[in-house]
Amino acid sequence: GDSVTQTEGLVTVTEGLPVKLNCTYQTTYLTIAFFWYVQYLNEAPQVLLKSSTDNKRTEHQGFHATLHKSSSSFHLQKSSAQLSDSALYYCALSGIASSSFSKLVFGQGTSLSVVP
Amino acid sequence: EAGVTQSPRYAVLQEGQAVSFWCDPISGHDTLYWYQQPRDQGPQLLVYFRDEAVIDNSQLPSDRFSAVRPKGTNSTLKIQSAKQGDTATYLCASGPPGGSYEQYFGPGTRLTVL
Repeated sequence: GDSVTQTEGLVTVTEGLPVKLNCTYQTTYLTIAFFWYVQYLNEAPQVLLKSSTDNKRTEHQGFHATLHKSSSSFHLQKSSAQLSDSALYYCALSGIASSSFSKLVFGQGTSLSVVP
Repeated sequence: EAGVTQSPRYAVLQEGQAVSFWCDPISGHDTLYWYQQPRDQGPQLLVYFRDEAVIDNSQLPSDRFSAVRPKGTNSTLKIQSAKQGDTATYLCASGPPGGSYEQYFGPGTRLTVL
């Protein structure tokens, strides 16, 4: 089936240091797009990044990710973590299988904790 | 542009009670999704609609859960006889026509079943 895997449940990083959140996927969808959602405490998930182009770097709010279809990955990175980045991060894929409509498949989520 | 709105924001029930959640999607969005998000887990799709039609409800526990979107706008998700295992946040999302794949989430309803 279609799945998204985030291997780290919790990532703790010191403010100002780089951070990387891993995301790999398996899909049978014909056309796909990838997202990183961020969810702050008691709020709804919101889109942080999105991409559907292989090997193209996407950036937003200091975060960046590159879709690599060859390795089925869409890792999220930031060169300098900030305290305000502490949140839950979900990797998700959205695709269309045959004549169906798009549906999101979420990973398990990674909790990022940035400490002083 | 107003976002996705949901009500109530919180609900506390005893096992066996019924509850309904309401969702008003972003105007013009034809797709609407209901997700269940247990504590410390990612959202899991329950059902989704395009306009008033159910596209996929394979993950909806049909014996106790039901969802409708009669006019292709607002939607209601109902749990007939709640169980403790239903404790979760219920998220509604909507998506625009045209295949952008993106979904916009509401604030959710946090349900606790005692």
